[in-house]
Amino acid sequence: AQSVTQLDSQVPVFEEAPVELRCNYSSSVSVYLFWYVQYPNQGLQLLLKYLSGSTLVESINGFEAEFNKSQTSFHLRKPSVHISDTAEYFCAVSANSGGSNYKLTFGKGTLLTVNP
Amino acid sequence: SQTIHQWPATLVQPVGSPLSLECTVEGTSNPNLYWYRQAAGRGLQLLFYSVGIGQISSEVPQNLSASRPQDRQFILSSKKLLLSDSGFYLCAWSVWAGGEAFFGQGTRLTVV
Repeated sequence: AQSVTQLDSQVPVFEEAPVELRCNYSSSVSVYLFWYVQYPNQGLQLLLKYLSGSTLVESINGFEAEFNKSQTSFHLRKPSVHISDTAEYFCAVSANSGGSNYKLTFGKGTLLTVNP
Repeated sequence: SQTIHQWPATLVQPVGSPLSLECTVEGTSNPNLYWYRQAAGRGLQLLFYSVGIGQISSEVPQNLSASRPQDRQFILSSKKLLLSDSGFYLCAWSVWAGGEAFFGQGTRLTVV
């Protein structure tokens, strides 16, 4: 069975500082990886995804994540954060759970707080 | 384009009362549909998923049930709510099982 570990439940940073939100997964098969963002009292929005190809994927608002198969990681990074990036971030992994069935599993989330 | 509607946004219900949360998807056919519950600091817990009309899989035993009466309609129900049913409920859909999921805005349920 697959699992996702987000190593930090909370990450406080100052505006314009770099940030890294860590995500590790466990799975014995090939995976697809996702990062979602959730603003207060809203649903989750897809931030970026890795399905295949280049291991470095980018979002339109400056976030990037790199799939590292040997480290089983998919850390999210941004070189300079804004106040508006304050939100909860969820890492998710999709892997084959038997036959042709894939299952999407989420981590427990990391609350990113950007302070002025 | 595809959209997902979930209602109501907030709900306060007494213990022992019934529950019905509805979710509909527009702009796609035969979506995979999901109900998640989110508790603070515990991430998202998958409650039910459906790959087609009348096909419901339950991930965890609980006081809730789900139904899919139409292709793009997914309903979460309970006959008698418990205090522990309080939480933030999210409906989602995907093109293929385990693929990129698209979420509704969520329902904040408080059982009192």
